[in-house]
Amino acid sequence: AQTIHQWPVAEIKAVGSPLSLGCTIKGKSSPNLYWYWQATGGTLQQLFYSITVGQVESVVQLNLSASRPKDDQFILSTEKLLLSHSGFYLCAWSLEPNSDYTFGSGTRLLVI
Amino acid sequence: AQSVDQPDAHVTLYEGASLELRCSYSYSAAPYLFWYVQYPGQSLQFLLKYITGDAVVKGTKGFEAEFRKSNSSFNLKKSPAHWSDSAKYFCALEGDTGYQNFYFGKGTSLTVIP
Repeated sequence: AQTIHQWPVAEIKAVGSPLSLGCTIKGKSSPNLYWYWQATGGTLQQLFYSITVGQVESVVQLNLSASRPKDDQFILSTEKLLLSHSGFYLCAWSLEPNSDYTFGSGTRLLVI
Repeated sequence: AQSVDQPDAHVTLYEGASLELRCSYSYSAAPYLFWYVQYPGQSLQFLLKYITGDAVVKGTKGFEAEFRKSNSSFNLKKSPAHWSDSAKYFCALEGDTGYQNFYFGKGTSLTVIP
């Protein structure tokens, strides 16, 4: 069975500090991968997507970057956090267009 | 441009009643529509999707949704509602800007009173 694992579960970080969030998918080869961000109480906004290793497309600019170093791994990062980066970060995968997403359990980030 | 509107930020009803959560969309092409549920403190879970075909689609947890092209709606329904249905529900449209970019509505928080 396929699984999606996000780490860490939660983070409290200082403004200006670096951040790295990870996502690993097991049991599926060559999945399409996505990062979404949800502000507290808000809706979800797609940040990045990747359909193959080494290729990442940015959807919105939030002073974040993403990389896909391996087929099953998707990393979200920044060198300098902003207060506005606080929220809930979700990784998701799908196999093909028009198919539903499977979301990871998410990472809660609080920037202080 | 594509968009999804969930006009009701909060819905409260008693257990045993019928629930209907509203969703309308704006999209020039044939829409692919989804419903997801988010329980407190948790991630999103897929409920159902409409791609083509029958206007009523059935999903998990006893939910169904009706696609109405005439008024661009995709309302989520369940009868009877159970207290465990209390959660936030998101309607989503698969758009054409960016690869499989889902446009989510703002969500409807449902409270079912036992």
